[in-house]
Amino acid sequence: SAVISQKPSRDICQRGTSLTIQCQVDSQVTMMFWYRQQPGQSLTLIATANQGSEATYESGFVIDKFPISRPNLTFSTLTVSNMSPEDSSIYLCSVVYQGVNQPQHFGDGTRLSIL
Amino acid sequence: EDQVTQSPEALRLQEGESSSLNCSYTVSGLRGLFWYRQDPGKGPEFLFTLYSAGEEKEKERLKATLTKKESFLHITAPKPEDSATYLCAVQPSNDYKLSFGAGTTVTVRA
Repeated sequence: SAVISQKPSRDICQRGTSLTIQCQVDSQVTMMFWYRQQPGQSLTLIATANQGSEATYESGFVIDKFPISRPNLTFSTLTVSNMSPEDSSIYLCSVVYQGVNQPQHFGDGTRLSIL
Repeated sequence: EDQVTQSPEALRLQEGESSSLNCSYTVSGLRGLFWYRQDPGKGPEFLFTLYSAGEEKEKERLKATLTKKESFLHITAPKPEDSATYLCAVQPSNDYKLSFGAGTTVTVRA
């Protein structure tokens, strides 16, 4: 079964600071995504992390606020920049393993609270 | 824009009391419809993918079905360990992104 590790699992941060979240996968994957899940709500896609090139952002999300890196096929980071209380949320990484019609598998998320 | 609506928002069941969850969707060509289970403090856990109308998938007490406009997740004789939030998501034919519904939170009482 898929092993997707996210670090940190939770954090409490001061407004105006930035936090980088890591996503490490146990084997090579074709695609990696970052989602946000606000309290009591469903998942919203932030961006697709592209290996070796700039991420593809969804409407309402910008690179300056959520810079993403994906240096290889098993690792990606999401930075939440200049945080405000509205950024308090769960941030989730998902991956698609190689193969035909593979579903997305999710990590357990990073629970972020901004004071 | 792809849209996914799940109902009901919450469902309280007695152990053994079968029920169904609904997922209505609009999508510009369907590559797949996905069901996930999410437990508190965890990420979504993949359950099923359905690709075409008429398709059915089963896993233990869960059975997912698909029509051209909606999907149902049937829970047969549920147990307390089936308590979770069940999420439905669609993937359009021209992309790999998922659009999620808000979920149905199921509570099964012993």
